Amino acid sequence: QSALTQPASVSGSPGQSITISCTGTSSDVGGYNYVSWYQQHPGKAPKLMIYEVSNRPSGVPDRFSGSKSGNTASLTISGLQAEDEADYYCSSYTSSSTDVVFGGGTKLTVL
Amino acid sequence: QVQLQESGPGLVKPSETLSLTCTVSGGSISSYYWSWIRQPPGKGLEWIGYIYYSGSTNYNPSLKSRVTISVDTSKNQFSLKLSSVTAADTAVYYCARVITTIFGVVKYGMDVWGQGTTVTVSS
Repeated sequence: QSALTQPASVSGSPGQSITISCTGTSSDVGGYNYVSWYQQHPGKAPKLMIYEVSNRPSGVPDRFSGSKSGNTASLTISGLQAEDEADYYCSSYTSSSTDVVFGGGTKLTVL
Repeated sequence: QVQLQESGPGLVKPSETLSLTCTVSGGSISSYYWSWIRQPPGKGLEWIGYIYYSGSTNYNPSLKSRVTISVDTSKNQFSLKLSSVTAADTAVYYCARVITTIFGVVKYGMDVWGQGTTVTVSS
């Protein structure tokens, strides 16, 4: 069982917007602004999409945005494109145990 | 730009020690934190631990008794050793750079990743 809870799957049509949630506790997501989001295509290494809740690394399209409310962080992808189909993982700093915890991952399907 | 490359045996026998090295190219290993993450087949990501270029470390408590991460700044490399492996340690192992401020403060996001190396534990 992962420390952070994500939906197993989400789907959307091209051009639509989707949101993936990542729920933790006050010891991780809710207590610190160190939430990151990663995109992983099959057989590939993860790619950082969002760090510190809402910051985008250079080169990541502004269709990707992050936010947080209480113990839940969210990744929103607007203007969905076929190449966005991938697994998405959230992670957070945690003060309770491991220092870094990941969510179980969400499979995004572009219909 | 900075690139990372994992290397090491792809097959390890049960009870033996898994040893991997990550070579940093296109930039210096100094001034950053560096991390190891693994992903069992068909499963999610698990953080193993990280090391600062100065040598200070932090490990996942669930693996702490078996893990050692070290750094060799002269070779621009850092390494992972995991002892007493079992089939449960079979995974793709990734090395990654951790976002670090110029003041040495770790930001926990991992912005550069190696391609990953598959390690199978089997006799």
